[in-house]
Amino acid sequence: GQNIDQPTEMTATEGAIVQINCTYQTSGFNGLFWYQQHAGEAPTFLSYNVLDGLEEKGRFSSFLSRSKGYSYLLLKELQMKDSASYLCAVRGPSNSNSGYALNFGKGTSLLVTP
Amino acid sequence: DTEVTQTPKHLVMGMTNKKSLKCEQHMGHRAMYWYKQKAKKPPELMFVYSYEKLSINESVPSRFSPECPNSSLLNLHLHALQPEDSALYLCASSQEGTGDEKLFFGSGTQLSVL
Repeated sequence: GQNIDQPTEMTATEGAIVQINCTYQTSGFNGLFWYQQHAGEAPTFLSYNVLDGLEEKGRFSSFLSRSKGYSYLLLKELQMKDSASYLCAVRGPSNSNSGYALNFGKGTSLLVTP
Repeated sequence: DTEVTQTPKHLVMGMTNKKSLKCEQHMGHRAMYWYKQKAKKPPELMFVYSYEKLSINESVPSRFSPECPNSSLLNLHLHALQPEDSALYLCASSQEGTGDEKLFFGSGTQLSVL
């Protein structure tokens, strides 16, 4: 099974930096994903980590430590449009018929204020 | 084309109705997924198809019946649903067999069961 934890809510100010943490305990690990989801919309892919370290993509960075079962998503230069839910998801083990499934954490609702 | 298209966008049905949700992608992806998402909750995996074969069924009630007619299409047949089945149903696809198995999500079907 998989247990994925992230804070329920966070608030940050426009222009600031915010870090959203995610911890996980899994029976098989094939990568960790971060998705952004605005209310009433589909999740959109932000980042993917399978090796330890930091992946940077514009204003968004994601870090992974496999030994600690820990990841964070770093958002810089926050904008009002960054107000959304941020979902940490762990890719589970493949089975003999393939098919990689993502299991999501409960999501962190980020509110960016002026 | 990097889209996953779902129809209908909204569906209202009674508990005795039979309806189908449809999903289509033309990215050449060989894995397709159904997720269910309740309001302010993370997506929950229902089914995974890999190379047109059902590879994961997360103990979903039989009133939900998936079908994968070909590698581009995924259906979810609904029959005798309950009001608690009201949710956003998300279809997703992934390439399968590559290192970066990010999921592409459709915009979902918002289902209301009366």
